[in-house]
Amino acid sequence: KNQVEQSPQSLIILEGKNCTLQCNYTVSPFSNLRWYKQDTGRGPVSLTIMTFSENTKSNGRYTATLDADTKQSSLHITASQLSDSASYICVVSPTTSGTYKYIFGTGTRLKVLA
Amino acid sequence: NAGVTQTPKFRILKIGQSMTLQCTQDMNHNYMYWYRQDPGMGLKLIYYSVGAGITDKGEVPNGYNVSRSTTEDFPLRLELAAPSQTSVYFCASTVRTGAEAFFGQGTRLTVV
Repeated sequence: KNQVEQSPQSLIILEGKNCTLQCNYTVSPFSNLRWYKQDTGRGPVSLTIMTFSENTKSNGRYTATLDADTKQSSLHITASQLSDSASYICVVSPTTSGTYKYIFGTGTRLKVLA
Repeated sequence: NAGVTQTPKFRILKIGQSMTLQCTQDMNHNYMYWYRQDPGMGLKLIYYSVGAGITDKGEVPNGYNVSRSTTEDFPLRLELAAPSQTSVYFCASTVRTGAEAFFGQGTRLTVV
């Protein structure tokens, strides 16, 4: 069964600190893996995208990594800011022909404290 | 460029009432989706559409209906609201399958 699991469920860090969020998936084969940021009361917004052949992708202070062998991805946030407080969702797109399904993880809720 | 617009943002329904959640996008995307997001759960696909006049069921379609008469609009209909439909609903669109999904701001629905 195609699944995407994220850890931790929630995380609290101090402003300026770094953190790493984890995503393990069983989706295979897959087209791409994205990380989305969801602010409270808003819809998710894409942060990064990686295909199965890519190992790392950066977007400012956000760096995503992908290990297709172990089926793991991580999102590293550097020098966190209060505005980073949000839920971060890992989403995998299967390559199965004819499917329009995106497999969503349950998300990691990050709280950055001043 | 507004992207994906959903209305209303909040709604309280009584059991058995009906309502339509509106969704419109101005990016000329063929693919549109309706998801529900429950606490502690990943987004679940309710219905999707690959173009005007074409719709199909997702993972959790029971109790919902959709239509797609134009490329821009993809309304979601709840005919007989039940407490189990209390959730946050998101509409999304993509230019093609597997592409970046653009989400609306969501509709928080409570059925009492």
